[in-house]
Amino acid sequence: DAGVTQSPTHLIKTRGQHVTLRCSPISGHKSVSWYQQVLGQGPQFIFQYYEKEERGRGNFPDRFSARQFPNYSSELNVNALLLGDSALYLCASSLVFGTGANEQFFGPGTRLTVL
Amino acid sequence: EDQVTQSPEALRLQEGESSSLNCSYTVSGLRGLFWYRQDPGKGPEFLFTLYSAGEEKEKERLKATLTKKESFLHITAPKPEDSATYLCAVRQGYGQNFVFGPGTRLSVLP
Repeated sequence: DAGVTQSPTHLIKTRGQHVTLRCSPISGHKSVSWYQQVLGQGPQFIFQYYEKEERGRGNFPDRFSARQFPNYSSELNVNALLLGDSALYLCASSLVFGTGANEQFFGPGTRLTVL
Repeated sequence: EDQVTQSPEALRLQEGESSSLNCSYTVSGLRGLFWYRQDPGKGPEFLFTLYSAGEEKEKERLKATLTKKESFLHITAPKPEDSATYLCAVRQGYGQNFVFGPGTRLSVLP
């Protein structure tokens, strides 16, 4: 069975540009979360989506937005890129939201470099 | 505010030299403590979930334990392939907002 997939693998952008990152969850998983991981730190929560609705938002500016599609895949959009947005962007999927199986399974990440 | 700290920041072991990694947390109502392994440039790989104090989980050379304020990841007779960053995280609320610690970088030398 395929795990969480993300695209693209790597991306180089310049300041002020816009970027879209994509994620497909494990088959049957309905919850998708996005994390930002700066080099040398643990992942930091950005968004969670479940059944196409936003269920959680971390402490990130409004330049960050996301959505989930009917097939449960998700996009993360970042506008007006800053140098500080350079990071590994991780997508994680889980079976349910709320009580129940809580394990999150991560994809390989998208490495974003902003020049 | 929920917080997770990990120690040591980095650990170097000889092959076969057992040790433990520490994860300390403060959270209002623990709804799961999670351990992950992360190789350079890759996404975290799920290892264990612990829910209540006294719980233990094992997988090959790894054993995770949980108290009311800490979790330990014990590594018995490690091999070079166990070299990685080990992350712990706590679940915040009923969503999937995990609060991660900074990780422990483990190097196992042959």
